[in-house]
Amino acid sequence: QSVLTQPPSVSAAPGQKVTISCSGSSSNIGNNYVSWYQQLPGTAPKLLIYDNNKRPSGIPDRFSGSKSATSATLGITGLQTGDEADYYCGTWDSSLSALVFGGGTKLTVL
Amino acid sequence: QVQLRESGPGLVKPSETLSLTCAVSGYSISSGYFWGWIRQPPGKGLEWIGNIYHSGSTYYNPSLKSRVTISVDTSENQFSLKLSSVTAADTAVYYCARLEGTYHPYYMDVWGKGTTVTVSS
Repeated sequence: QSVLTQPPSVSAAPGQKVTISCSGSSSNIGNNYVSWYQQLPGTAPKLLIYDNNKRPSGIPDRFSGSKSATSATLGITGLQTGDEADYYCGTWDSSLSALVFGGGTKLTVL
Repeated sequence: QVQLRESGPGLVKPSETLSLTCAVSGYSISSGYFWGWIRQPPGKGLEWIGNIYHSGSTYYNPSLKSRVTISVDTSENQFSLKLSSVTAADTAVYYCARLEGTYHPYYMDVWGKGTTVTVSS
């Protein structure tokens, strides 16, 4: 069982918007920054969002992040078939003294 | 451009020690950042193993702490992972990464391509 909870899968049509949730507790999301990673099939994860809502250079503004209390959300607009991937949230857990991840969400662009 | 590349045996026998090295190019490890390891069992999610600061201080996943050692070799600009007493449950793709953080790591901003390690006799 992952410390952070994500839906196993989400789907939407090309051009549409999708959101992926990440739920935690006060020891992790509630008091630490959240990051999001995209893992395309057969490749290493790539940083999409850091510090809750910041995008690294080169990440399009179709990707956005937000945080409220003990939950975080990744939003993707203008969906493309190339966005089909697994998405993971991550943060530091102050009680465990460990970096923790969600179980991952598989995005299907129908 | 910072690049990381993992290397090491792809097959390890049960009860033995898994040893991997991550070579860093495009950035000097001694200049800063955390440097660490994350693994992903087949068909499963990501698990943080641990990391080391450029000064040598370490953070380990409590669930693996008794078996993990991460070290850094600034002269070779590389860092290494040793995981002892391995079992089939340690079979995974192992990624090395650069981690941003202050008092503890926050996120991974650069990843290696990963290397597959299978534990089997």
